[in-house]
Amino acid sequence: DIQLTQSPSFLSASVGDRVTITCRASQGISSYLAWYQQKPGKAPKLLIYAASTFQSGVPSRFSGSGSGTEFTLTISSLQPEDFATYYCQQVNSYPITFGGGTKVEIK
Amino acid sequence: EVQLVESGGGLVQPGGSLRLSCAASGFTFSDYAMTWVRQAPGKGLEWVSTIGGSGTSTYYEDSVKGRFTISRDNSKNTLYLQMNSLRVEDTAVYHCARYPLAPGRRMDVWGQGTTVTVSS
Repeated sequence: DIQLTQSPSFLSASVGDRVTITCRASQGISSYLAWYQQKPGKAPKLLIYAASTFQSGVPSRFSGSGSGTEFTLTISSLQPEDFATYYCQQVNSYPITFGGGTKVEIK
Repeated sequence: EVQLVESGGGLVQPGGSLRLSCAASGFTFSDYAMTWVRQAPGKGLEWVSTIGGSGTSTYYEDSVKGRFTISRDNSKNTLYLQMNSLRVEDTAVYHCARYPLAPGRRMDVWGQGTTVTVSS
C-alpha cells in the first residue's frame, strides 16, 4: 500500500499568512494526487487534483505542485474561511489512501 | 444541481448488518465510478470501496473485504454499501462520493454522510 505522510500535522497561522503543506508518498505516484479541505461536521471539499489542477470554483489563492513522491499545497494568503483540516489523497493505485491531515488553526 | 444524499446509517450490534444507500441526482449516474469513504470519530479519512460506472469493477479496502459489498442500480441512480459482520471499529460517518476517472481521478462531489455506530 502507498503511505502518504503529511507535514505538519498541525499549523497555527494568521490571516494573510502564506501557508505550505507537504505530502510525501512512500513510492512514486506520478501526478495522481488530490487535496481536500474539510471543516468540522462537513463533507470534504475537493481543492486540487492531478497534483496541480484547480477544481472549479476554488479560489486562486490555493495552488498545488509536485510529482513523483513529493507534493505541496500552498495557500498564498490565508483567509478566515480557510481554517480547516487539509488532506492529501493518492489515486495512483488501489487501495486509495489519504494522508493523516493537517489542521490549520488561527494564531 | 449535482447532489448525493446518503441514508441507512444507525446503531447496530457487533456482528450485525446494515445497508447504506446514496441517492444521486443532477448528473448521468452511469457515467461515473462511485466510492465510499468513512471517517471514524476524531480520525482522518479512510477509503472503503469503489465501483465502476457499469458496476462490473469493484475494489475494497482490506479490512472490509469479504464483509462489505458495494453495488449500484443505475436505473435508480443509487449506490449501495451492504455491510455485514460489523465490528466496533467500523463505527464512522460514511460518505459517498462521485469519482470521475478522467481527466484526472478525484472525488469531486460528496454527500454529507450517514453515521454508523457499532456497539453493544
